[in-house]
Amino acid sequence: GDSVTQMEGPVTLSEEAFLTINCTYTATGYPSLFWYVQYPGEGLQLLLKATKADDKGSNKGFEATYRKETTSFHLEKGSVQVSDSAVYFCALKGFQKLVFGTGTRLLVSP
Amino acid sequence: NAGVTQTPKFRVLKTGQSMTLLCAQDMNHEYMYWYRQDPGMGLRLIHYSVGEGTTAKGEVPDGYNVSRLKKQNFLLGLESAAPSQTSVYFCASSYRSDRVIDTEAFFGQGTRLTVV
Repeated sequence: GDSVTQMEGPVTLSEEAFLTINCTYTATGYPSLFWYVQYPGEGLQLLLKATKADDKGSNKGFEATYRKETTSFHLEKGSVQVSDSAVYFCALKGFQKLVFGTGTRLLVSP
Repeated sequence: NAGVTQTPKFRVLKTGQSMTLLCAQDMNHEYMYWYRQDPGMGLRLIHYSVGEGTTAKGEVPDGYNVSRLKKQNFLLGLESAAPSQTSVYFCASSYRSDRVIDTEAFFGQGTRLTVV
């Protein structure tokens, strides 16, 4: 079945550091790919998405490119801020199901 | 815009009690989902529905039942609660997969359930 694997955390960075959170997937067909963010005590919010191969999703300085050849959708940001501290989830939407990875906690210190 | 609304937000149950969690969406979405979130486990799909009157099992369906009598509502029931069902439950909804745009899912704020 469809599945998502993302790097375990926590990821601890200093402010203005470069961020990469790895995500790979297994799916039949051509899924849509997403990154969601969860701030403490809140639900999940969509951060960015890509619906087909080679699409680049971007939002709030975060980017991710849909790589079909490597089945990956890695999240990157050039300069993180303390306010980016949260849990980040990679997800795919296949035929009907929306499947999530286990989440990666990001901690950014001043 | 209400989006996805879950009730209740918090609940404490005794082992063996039953309860129903309600999810309501006002976006006319076809698909609705129930997830549970546990530390280190991410979000695991319990049940989902692709339309009114239809439901299907997800990854961890045991101990839960669901119903979708109206398009805008998706109910999650626990018939006999167990401590292993202590978790945070999230409902989500989305348009169906054959739409090119607007395929993202929108989430409720969650229900924190403790079974003692």
